[in-house]
Amino acid sequence: GIQVEQSPPDLILQEGANSTLRCNFSDSVNNLQWFHQNPWGQLINLFYIPSGTKQNGRLSATTVATERYSLLYISSSQTTDSGVYFCAGIKTSYDKVIFGPGTSLSVIP
Amino acid sequence: ETGVTQSPTHLIKTRGQQVTLRCSSQSGHNTVSWYQQALGQGPQFIFQYYREEENGRGNFPPRFSGLQFPNYSSELNVNALELDDSALYLCASSPDRGDTQYFGPGTRLTVL
Repeated sequence: GIQVEQSPPDLILQEGANSTLRCNFSDSVNNLQWFHQNPWGQLINLFYIPSGTKQNGRLSATTVATERYSLLYISSSQTTDSGVYFCAGIKTSYDKVIFGPGTSLSVIP
Repeated sequence: ETGVTQSPTHLIKTRGQQVTLRCSSQSGHNTVSWYQQALGQGPQFIFQYYREEENGRGNFPPRFSGLQFPNYSSELNVNALELDDSALYLCASSPDRGDTQYFGPGTRLTVL
């Protein structure tokens, strides 16, 4: 099955700093999503991005499907950005969705 | 707000018991997936239902079973509970297979 790696595993940022989170897949995927899990456990959709670049406010994501990786950029971080960021991929609509182990982000004032 | 709800929020059971968790998908979403998330780990795929039929299954034993109903609700049933079943259980609905998934808030199950 597909293996998903995320880096770094943990990240501590000063408020206002920028960061880049990375997600690597062992095989190509048709569907790739980024999620933010808040401290209460809610998984929040950030991006559905099988390929290309998307932006939403201070967040943007780029997926290079041919090289099997995706990047999540967080600019001008805020304390509310704290939590765990997961990427998840699926190879076809009949395959199971595979989540990465997550990047735990702490933004300190 | 994702429009996906789950009940109950928290649940405590003892080993060997059976449990039913419920999920209400967004209207019009014909696909629902269930995940188990142990503490400190990423969600693990349990199974997916598409138009009331099982569409795919992860590495979970048969004592994990599910149902999807025409009214966009679904259930996850776990028989013969084990201590390792303690986890956050998440459901996610999507318009179709392979589409963006929208997650509910989860049910936290504790098995004593």
